[in-house]
Amino acid sequence: QVRLEQSGAEVAKPGALVRVSCKASGYPFLDYYIHWVRQAPGQGLEWMAVLNPRGDRKSYAERLQGRFSVTRDTATTTVFMELSTLKYDDTAVYYCVRAATTGAGGRSAPLDIWGQGTKVTVSS
Amino acid sequence: SYDLTQPPSLSVAPGETARITCGGKSLGLKSVHWYQQKSGQTPIVVISYDRGRPSGIPQRFSGSGFGGTATLTIDRVEAGDEAVYYCQVWDESSDEGVFGGGTKLTVL
Repeated sequence: QVRLEQSGAEVAKPGALVRVSCKASGYPFLDYYIHWVRQAPGQGLEWMAVLNPRGDRKSYAERLQGRFSVTRDTATTTVFMELSTLKYDDTAVYYCVRAATTGAGGRSAPLDIWGQGTKVTVSS
Repeated sequence: SYDLTQPPSLSVAPGETARITCGGKSLGLKSVHWYQQKSGQTPIVVISYDRGRPSGIPQRFSGSGFGGTATLTIDRVEAGDEAVYYCQVWDESSDEGVFGGGTKLTVL
């Protein structure tokens, strides 16, 4: 069964850093790009980044440059996201999502397998 | 950055046809995907690569596009279609994914 299992909810203070993990299982980890998408309360979907697990190539949303990073551990088939210098409007549910096709097409492919989401709350 | 524009809301009576639009510069040159997100759930793909319908999606759902506008059409709307629908593309020039703002479909 193809699955993305994310770590639990986080509460962090403004200016702090938060790390969320996403463990992939049930498919060849290296073959499918992983995207990160967030959704603030009552708001729409916001694309954040994409990672190629095979070559470790990454692309980030420009508005998050410098604060957001994505890494992967091929041994444990886990992808990590870190968001630093947290702001109140970073409060959102963060999703890791697998692209529907293998290889380079994963950047533009539909996002078909979603993790359950990790709620990140920024609060003083 | 690249922007996709959707109407915030649309209301349709059961049995009627819903047409949800997504506008963007030179959108016809990009592959558009459509997602359905019901309340409290994660999104699912209802249309991929402009017109493709993934397995399990009813034939009532279809996609089309012309110029700078893509359209998701839902025929014979049912109460269970009530959801927020998002369009999404990959923008090569900025090397980013982009979502539209979402359209909340209400079935009257």
